[in-house]
Amino acid sequence: QVHLVQSGAEVRKPGASVKASCKTSGYSFTRYYVHWVRQAPGGGLEWIGVINPSGGYTRYAQKFQGRVTVTMDTSTATVYMQLNNLRFEDTAVYFCSRVGEDTALEYWGQGTLVTVSS
Amino acid sequence: SYVLTQPPSVSVAPGQTARISCGGDNIGDKSVHWYQQKSGQAPVLVVHDDSDRPSGIPERFSGSNSRNTATLTITRVEAGDEADYYCQVWDNNSDHWIFGGGTKLTVL
Repeated sequence: QVHLVQSGAEVRKPGASVKASCKTSGYSFTRYYVHWVRQAPGGGLEWIGVINPSGGYTRYAQKFQGRVTVTMDTSTATVYMQLNNLRFEDTAVYFCSRVGEDTALEYWGQGTLVTVSS
Repeated sequence: SYVLTQPPSVSVAPGQTARISCGGDNIGDKSVHWYQQKSGQAPVLVVHDDSDRPSGIPERFSGSNSRNTATLTITRVEAGDEADYYCQVWDNNSDHWIFGGGTKLTVL
């Protein structure tokens, strides 16, 4: 059974960085892309970026280019998302998600709440 | 960049049919996926590749896609279907995943 388990809630000050983790299990890690999506309070879903665990190819939304880095550790089947230079508007729940056999996001983590507060 | 447009809200009485649209330039040429998100929960994929249902999703959920509009149809709507619904595509030109703004389905 496929599982994506994310790290716990974080609180950061403006200008700081945060690194969230997404530990996967129940499937061949290198076979499926893993994405990061966020949702601000009361807002919609916003795509952040993706990593191909087979080779490490990454692609980021233009809005986050230069501020976000998605990495992976194949030994633990874990994907990470680091967001730098945090702003108040980065307060959101951050989800990791694995694709299915196409480009749909079939499996989701439980979400990591990141709060940016002074 | 590619934009998906959804109505902010749709209301329907129990037992009736709800239709949620997702507009995009020549969206009929893309594969459209739909997600249901209930309050405080992670999204759930309910339709992928325009009209396919993942295992465990009721047949009441269906999708279509043509020209500039994709549609999620929910027949025999139940109170438990009340949620936010999002459409999503992969834009091959930018290699970006794009979400619509979401539609809040209210069951009257």
